[in-house]
Amino acid sequence: EAGVTQFPSHSVIEKGQTVTLRCDPISGHDNLYWYRRVMGKEIKFLLHFVKESKQDESGMPNNRFLAERTGGTYSTLKVQPAELEDSGVYFCASSPRTGLNTEAFFGQGTRLTVV
Amino acid sequence: GQQVMQIPQYQHVQEGEDFTTYCNSSTTLSNIQWYKQRPGGHPVFLIQLVKSGEVKKQKRLTFQFGEAKKNSSLHITATQTTDVGTYFCAGRDWGGNTPLVFGKGTRLSVIA
Repeated sequence: EAGVTQFPSHSVIEKGQTVTLRCDPISGHDNLYWYRRVMGKEIKFLLHFVKESKQDESGMPNNRFLAERTGGTYSTLKVQPAELEDSGVYFCASSPRTGLNTEAFFGQGTRLTVV
Repeated sequence: GQQVMQIPQYQHVQEGEDFTTYCNSSTTLSNIQWYKQRPGGHPVFLIQLVKSGEVKKQKRLTFQFGEAKKNSSLHITATQTTDVGTYFCAGRDWGGNTPLVFGKGTRLSVIA
């Protein structure tokens, strides 16, 4: 079974440019999460989809970040325009069902560097 | 909002020594999960604790969940070089389908 896949693995962009990250969750997983880890800090929650609906987007830093999950399959996270402080590793995770006791399966992450 | 604190941030041990990382939540948790991230890798689920006072073991790893369900620990006995990585705790608050809140992680280095 394929795991959570993310693309690209690395991205280096200039401040002010736009970047779109993609996440393909494990097939059949309704729950999809985006997290971000800035160097040396915690893995911080960004948002949570249940199928195509945004269940919780309280962690999104600001309106430069836009996440979509059309059709309830893969998801994209767009940063426009990118700022220096957006640099970090963006992880996507999925889980098979809604509930309290579900583990998250993480993708390899996208390392974003804004210069 | 809910916060999860984890200490220490770094730990360097000689191979064969024991290692412990501690996790504390600002709120009572429904469950706590532990993940391991190898250098250059992604977080991989290790275990989940649900019950108050629960203790689980995986070979040399012992996981505990506090009686008040606000703290947890991971103890590794006789560390090996394969234990190198960052260990994260992640807590889930009560009140429905809330997201996991991660601690900052403890980076473990093992010197052979």
